[in-house]
Amino acid sequence: GQNIDQPTEMTATEGAIVQINCTYQTSGFNGLFWYQQHAGEAPTFLSYNVLDGLEEKGRFSSFLSRSKGYSYLLLKELQMKDSASYLCAVNPNNFNKFYFGSGTKLNVKP
Amino acid sequence: GAGVSQSPSNKVTEKGKDVELRCDPISGHTALYWYRQSLGQGLEFLIYFQGNSAPDKSGLPSDRFSAERTGGSVSTLTIQRTQQEDSAVYLCASSLGKPNTDTQYFGPGTRLTVL
Repeated sequence: GQNIDQPTEMTATEGAIVQINCTYQTSGFNGLFWYQQHAGEAPTFLSYNVLDGLEEKGRFSSFLSRSKGYSYLLLKELQMKDSASYLCAVNPNNFNKFYFGSGTKLNVKP
Repeated sequence: GAGVSQSPSNKVTEKGKDVELRCDPISGHTALYWYRQSLGQGLEFLIYFQGNSAPDKSGLPSDRFSAERTGGSVSTLTIQRTQQEDSAVYLCASSLGKPNTDTQYFGPGTRLTVL
C-alpha cells in the first residue's frame, strides 16, 4: 500500500517559523504536493517538488529528499491566517492518482 | 475565470435514500477527481477521469457508489441506499491532465449528512 504520514497537530506563535514534516512510502514517485486547507474550505495548492532540494515561494518553502522519502513545508513569519490544515500528497506513478496524508492542523497563537 | 463548482453545497438525507452530487470542472481541464473527506481526516481518493479513457474506480468504497462524466465535462457522483458512514464532505477537483506536474484545483465540496 501507499503510506503518507504527517503529524496530526502543531502549535506555533505568530511571527515564528514552523516546519511541517511529511514522510512517505509509496510504490513509486512522480512528485509531492502541499495543499493548504482552511476549516470548512477546499484545499488550495501551495507547492510541488519532484527533484531533491528546496523550493521557495515567499514565506513558504518546501523541501524534498527522495532517498529518505521525506518532505517538509517551512512557513516563515507566521500570521494568524496561516492557521489551517496542511496536506501532503504524493503521486506514486504517472497516472495522476494522488495519495493524501491525513493533514497537519496548524494553530497559530498570538 | 470560474473555478470548480459543486452542487449542492449541503445535502441532508435519510438512510437508504439515493443522492446525486454534481461537479462542474474548470473549462479545458481534462482530468477530474472525486475525493471524500471525513471530519478531521485527510482526503480519500474515490475515482479519477482522464479525457476519454476508462475511469480509475479503484477508490470507490462499495458498489453503492458510481460516477459518470458526460461529454468530458460535468461529473455526477451517485450514492445509492445511503448509509450513515457515508456522511462526509465530497470534494471534486480538476486539472489539466498533464503527467507528473499536474496541479489539482478543488471545488468547495458537498457536505453530505445521512440521518
